[in-house]
Amino acid sequence: GAVVSQHPSWVICKSGTSVKIECRSLDFQATTMFWYRQFPKQSLMLMATSNEGSKATYEQGVEKDKFLINHASLTLSTLTVTSAHPEDSSFYICSAPRGGGSQETQYFGPGTRLLVL
Amino acid sequence: AQSVTQLDSQVPVFEEAPVELRCNYSSSVSVYLFWYVQYPNQGLQLLLKYLSGSTLVKGINGFEAEFNKSQTSFHLRKPSVHISDTAEYFCAVGNDYKLSFGAGTTVTVRA
Repeated sequence: GAVVSQHPSWVICKSGTSVKIECRSLDFQATTMFWYRQFPKQSLMLMATSNEGSKATYEQGVEKDKFLINHASLTLSTLTVTSAHPEDSSFYICSAPRGGGSQETQYFGPGTRLLVL
Repeated sequence: AQSVTQLDSQVPVFEEAPVELRCNYSSSVSVYLFWYVQYPNQGLQLLLKYLSGSTLVKGINGFEAEFNKSQTSFHLRKPSVHISDTAEYFCAVGNDYKLSFGAGTTVTVRA
C-alpha cells in the first residue's frame, strides 16, 4: 500500500533555532501534500497545503514566514519551523492524497514530535 | 466552513463488547466523511469513508459507520472489540481534499 514517511520522528532543539521536517511519499507521486499540527489531547489542525512547483497555501492564522514549506519534488515536501519557540512544540503530521477522483485517499505520515526548549 | 464534534473523549470498553463512537459535523457544502484510527506512535490510518451512495459504510477491522444526513451524524460502530482496537479514533470531514478533524476519542479495551 501507499506509504508516507517523515523524518525525523523526534527532534529537540533550543529556542531560536530552525528545524526542518521532511515528508516523503514512498511509492507514489504527490503534487499536493498537507501539513497538520496536533497538540496533546487535541485534534489535528491543518496548517498549509504544499503544492509542487508553486507556493504553499496557508490556513488562516498560520504564519507563512515562520512555517516555511517547500515542495521540492513530486515525492518530497519540507516544513521548516524558523526561530522555533517553546509554543511551537507540537506533533507535526503530513499527508498526501493518492488515487484521484472520488477514490482519493489521504495517506498520513507517522508524525514528527518537536520539543523546543 | 466545516467542523466536527466527537461527543466522547474517552470510551472504555470490555473485550468482545460492542462500541459506538459518536461524530456530528456541520458544513455549508457537501462533504466527504471519514474515520481514522491512530495507534500509539503511528500515523493515521483510514478506517472507512463515506463519499456517496449507501449510508452504511463498512471499513477495515470490522468497523462500520452510518451517515445520517438529517442528523448530520456519522457514528462509528463495531459489534465486538479486541484488545488491539485500543487506539485514538478521529472523525473527519473533507472537501477539496482538505480535512477537518474532530478532537478524537480514546478507546481503551480491557480484558
